[in-house]
Amino acid sequence: SQTIHQWPATLVQPVGSPLSLECTVEGTSNPNLYWYRQAAGRGLQLLFYSVGIGQISSEVPQNLSASRPQDRQFILSSKKLLLSDSGFYLCAWSVDGTVGEKLFFGSGTQLSVL
Amino acid sequence: GENVEQHPSTLSVQEGDSAVIKCTYSDSASNYFPWYKQELGKRPQLIIDIRSNVGEKKDQRIAVTLNKTAKHFSLHITETQPEDSAVYFCAATRFSGIGAGSYQLTFGKGTKLSVIP
Repeated sequence: SQTIHQWPATLVQPVGSPLSLECTVEGTSNPNLYWYRQAAGRGLQLLFYSVGIGQISSEVPQNLSASRPQDRQFILSSKKLLLSDSGFYLCAWSVDGTVGEKLFFGSGTQLSVL
Repeated sequence: GENVEQHPSTLSVQEGDSAVIKCTYSDSASNYFPWYKQELGKRPQLIIDIRSNVGEKKDQRIAVTLNKTAKHFSLHITETQPEDSAVYFCAATRFSGIGAGSYQLTFGKGTKLSVIP
């Protein structure tokens, strides 16, 4: 069966520090991968999605970047964190081409930038 | 792009009563409408979905209805129980078919449902 791992679960970082959140998927090949941010009152905001290795699409201008160095690995990064980067970050995956393309979410990372 | 509006933002019901959450979408080409449930501190999980070729779908106490003409869809929960308390998100997308590449779900802002025992 497929599983998704996301870490760390919580992270407290000072303003201006770098960020690296990692997500890996097991049990499937060539998944679509996503990074979402969840802020209070704003629902689930898509930040990045990837349909394959090295292919990254960005949905919103921001201080963050994403990379997909391997088929089942998705990394969210920042060189210098801002206060506004605080939030709950969710990685997700789906199987390309399936009817409905259900999203399966990771357990999330609560990021606090101080 | 697609825009999804969800109402209400909060909803309180007595245990055993019904709850209805409504969403509207803007892109008439959208053809797939899932609902996700997120319990406190947990990840969102798909609970039910509907495609544009059907008007209603049921799964035990949960049902979703779709009105393509009006571009709105609703989640209905009957005989609510305390474990139904969670944030519910609706979403919409245009699924373009196998091999057509990825898609992007547009989510509503969520409804916090509280079921009072």
